[in-house]
Amino acid sequence: ETGVTQTPRHLVMGMTNKKSLKCEQHLGHNAMYWYKQSAKKPLELMFVYSLEERVENNSVPSRFSPECPNSSHLFLHLHTLQPEDSALYLCASSPSQGGFGNTEAFFGQGTRLTVV
Amino acid sequence: DAKTTQPNSMESNEEEPVHLPCNHSTISGTDYIHWYRQLPSQGPEYVIHGLTSNVNNRMASLAIAEDRKSSTLILHRATLRDAAVYYCILRDGETGANNLFFGTGTRLTVIP
Repeated sequence: ETGVTQTPRHLVMGMTNKKSLKCEQHLGHNAMYWYKQSAKKPLELMFVYSLEERVENNSVPSRFSPECPNSSHLFLHLHTLQPEDSALYLCASSPSQGGFGNTEAFFGQGTRLTVV
Repeated sequence: DAKTTQPNSMESNEEEPVHLPCNHSTISGTDYIHWYRQLPSQGPEYVIHGLTSNVNNRMASLAIAEDRKSSTLILHRATLRDAAVYYCILRDGETGANNLFFGTGTRLTVIP
């Protein structure tokens, strides 16, 4: 248990559906991250929020929409996804005391998404 | 973001030490060297990090070359539970949060 909780753990959705992934941490961390991990591929950094402001958007299609309403919660809203978006979506958080470089990141268990 | 280079895969016998190398020849003076691992069907897990000096914790040891252009993660006695993908990452200590990039890592197989 890392202190970062993701729900749901598994999700199957059709291409016309709208769904949301949720990430929650009560570790007092200032930064939260969304990653995508497709089969046999490295983790791809999608979005980064620092102090509830988006600081990184790595050319992610607009069908993925992040939301960070407060420092403890992060959402990834999904709509009109494609089958190739099927992947493990991971959330992480990290503190900033002394600079982010000198701190560890904590990852959730991920949401296994299947788009049919 | 500074890049790291790791072997794609390594094997180790159970209960023997494992030395996982990482090259980071373009490391800057403010980059911290981090190691994470990802067990099957799980999110990545922090292992250890350091700046200049060697570091030890309950999971592993980190040996950093004097010129900081390479480092080695040392698992003192490999167990079957250590079979995972190990990632070596550089995180700039001076910039903001957006520097947690993962490469392809080293897949460690532990042989019983």
